[in-house]
Amino acid sequence: GDSVTQMQGQVTLSEDDFLFINCTYSTTWYPTLFWYVQYPGEGPQLLLKVTTANNKGISRGFEATYDKGTTSFHLQKASVQESDSAVYYCAHTNKVVFGTGTRLQVLP
Amino acid sequence: NSKVIQTPRYLVKGQGQKAKMRCIPEKGHPVVFWYQQNKNNEFKFLINFQNQEVLQQIDMTEKRFSAECPSNSPCSLEIQSSEAGDSALYLCASSRGTFYAEQFFGPGTRLTVL
Repeated sequence: GDSVTQMQGQVTLSEDDFLFINCTYSTTWYPTLFWYVQYPGEGPQLLLKVTTANNKGISRGFEATYDKGTTSFHLQKASVQESDSAVYYCAHTNKVVFGTGTRLQVLP
Repeated sequence: NSKVIQTPRYLVKGQGQKAKMRCIPEKGHPVVFWYQQNKNNEFKFLINFQNQEVLQQIDMTEKRFSAECPSNSPCSLEIQSSEAGDSALYLCASSRGTFYAEQFFGPGTRLTVL
């Protein structure tokens, strides 16, 4: 069935560290893939999306590549800031499927 | 910034009571979603609408929840008889389409069932 898997529940980094958040998906369709970010006390907001396989989405220094071969959509950022601390969700909406979220804590 | 409005922001009910929350989607968005987010930040899709018609819903929603999106009125989600396990953040989102369009979320209604 349709699913999204984020293996990392929590990631703790220091400022300027490299960020990698794992996401793999399963679907019989060709999904559009999304990353959403949720800050405390707010609803999630779109960070980036990619509609076509092998394309890369880039936003606010974050990037993710839609890899149809490995069915992955990992999120990366070269240098995180304390303000990036939030919960990150990978999603595809063929059947409104969200991952379980990865809480990122960036220490000053 | 999202313009999805959800009211109330906080709702406290006793077990067995009705709990009703409302959502005004972004203007021009025909699709509305409701999710339940638990304390572990996990999302559970509940139901979605396109205009006034239900597109998809899960079993739980069909049995214990009622939801509607009347034209020219806020959408609503109501739990008929609240249970302790219903305590969660209820998120409403709207979008221009169903599968490929991004969803714009409101801030949520935090329901506490005592």
